[in-house]
Amino acid sequence: DTGVSQDPRHKITKRGQNVTFRCDPISEHNRLYWYRQTLGQGPEFLTYFQNEAQLEKSRLLSDRFSAERPKGSFSTLEIQRTEQGDSAMYLCASSLGGTGTRYGYTFGSGTRLTVV
Amino acid sequence: AQTVTQSQPEMSVQEAETVTLSCTYDTSESDYYLFWYKQPPSRQMILVIRQEAYKQQNATENRFSVNFQKAAKSFSLKISDSQLGDAAMYFCARDNAGNMLTFGGGTRLMVKP
Repeated sequence: DTGVSQDPRHKITKRGQNVTFRCDPISEHNRLYWYRQTLGQGPEFLTYFQNEAQLEKSRLLSDRFSAERPKGSFSTLEIQRTEQGDSAMYLCASSLGGTGTRYGYTFGSGTRLTVV
Repeated sequence: AQTVTQSQPEMSVQEAETVTLSCTYDTSESDYYLFWYKQPPSRQMILVIRQEAYKQQNATENRFSVNFQKAAKSFSLKISDSQLGDAAMYFCARDNAGNMLTFGGGTRLMVKP
């Protein structure tokens, strides 16, 4: 198991285009989280899944954002009609159970989105 | 809004010396978890240390230890015998009902040789 994988590592897109990111969690982890991190700031929670169910969404997740986790395995995060304010690092993390587990989250390396 | 505050945007320490990073938080829960994460430049975030709020004993992991003051809602990280590889952004975080984490704004730690 190579940890949490995110693809692509970098994405440059023109304003108004749609983008999709993928996250492959650690295989035995049932929870998967998406966070957004802007430069010089801490990560901000977007949404999380337990297996295939999306259990919570942040107010940051506008209607242009959608996330899925079909079959409780990998997850995708899609942003429609991108805006310059969407430029950020999008982090994925997974865990076995909630934050109370011994090792907490395992984070991926993130996808850096630049909207031009 | 429940927040996590790191009041030191940047800290500097001489190699082999000790440094303490500060963190305060807000919560209405009595049982929760606190974390320190390290994010090296262009690399993934990794867990440094974790504290369970119901445990009075401060957590330690090798050169890393915390000073957890529950009444004051304070959770500082002490790094002993600092090494060049400790240079990174450090984020304090608190969990919300065992689900998502709320992160502070981070402290950039520089280690001088």
